[in-house]
Amino acid sequence: DVVMTQSPLSLPVTLGQSASISCRSSQSLVYSDGDTYLNWFQQRPGQSPRRLIYKVFHRDSGVPDRFSGSGSGTDFTLKISRVEAEDVGVYYCMQGTHWPPYTFGQGTKLEIK
Amino acid sequence: QVQLVQSGAEVKKPGASVKVSCKASGYTFTAYYMHWVRQAPGQGLEWMGWINPNSGDTNYAQRFQGRVTMTSDTSISTAYLELSGLRSDDTAVYFCARPDIFWSFDYWGQGTLVSVSS
Repeated sequence: DVVMTQSPLSLPVTLGQSASISCRSSQSLVYSDGDTYLNWFQQRPGQSPRRLIYKVFHRDSGVPDRFSGSGSGTDFTLKISRVEAEDVGVYYCMQGTHWPPYTFGQGTKLEIK
Repeated sequence: QVQLVQSGAEVKKPGASVKVSCKASGYTFTAYYMHWVRQAPGQGLEWMGWINPNSGDTNYAQRFQGRVTMTSDTSISTAYLELSGLRSDDTAVYFCARPDIFWSFDYWGQGTLVSVSS
C-alpha cells in the first residue's frame, strides 16, 4: 500500500498569513496515463471532508483561489494564502493512483494563533 | 443537486453487527460506485471499500475482509455497509462517498457515528 506522510501535523497560523502543508508518498503517484491522482481535502470541525484540490492542482468549484496545490512524483504541497478563520480544520492528502486501497495522509490540523 | 444522506447514530455491544445506510439523490445511482470511509475519534480517514450498485461487485480493504459486507438496493438508490464482529476500536464515524472520474471523492455523506461499548 502507498503510505502518505504529511507535515507538519499541527499548523498554527496568524490570520492573513500563508500556510503550507507537505505531503509525501512512498512511491510515485504518476499513473500510466500520465496523470497524477493526488487530492487535498478539508475537514472542518464536525463536518464531512470536502475536496479542495484534485489531480495535484485542480481546484474544485467554489474553492477560493487562496488554495493552491503543487508538486509532482512523490512530493506535493497545499498552500493557503491569506488564511481566514473559516480555514480552521484538518487537511488531508489522498492518493487515487494506486488503489485499492485509497490511502490518506495522517492529517494536518490548522489553527489560528 | 447530489446528496448522500446516511442513517442515524448506532450504539452496539462488542460482537454485534451494525448496518449503515446511505441514500443517494440528484444523480443516477447505478452510474457511480459507492465507497465507504471511516474515521475513529480524533483520528484520520481510512478507506474501507466500494460497491458497484449496477453489478453488485465489491472490493474491500484487506483489513476488513471477512467482517464487512457492502450491498445496495437500486430501487431506492441506497447503499449499505454492514460490519460484523464489532470491537471497541470499530467506534468511528462511517462515511459514504461518491467517486468521480478523477479517482477521488467529490460528494460525501454526513457520516454515521457507530459506538461500540459493553
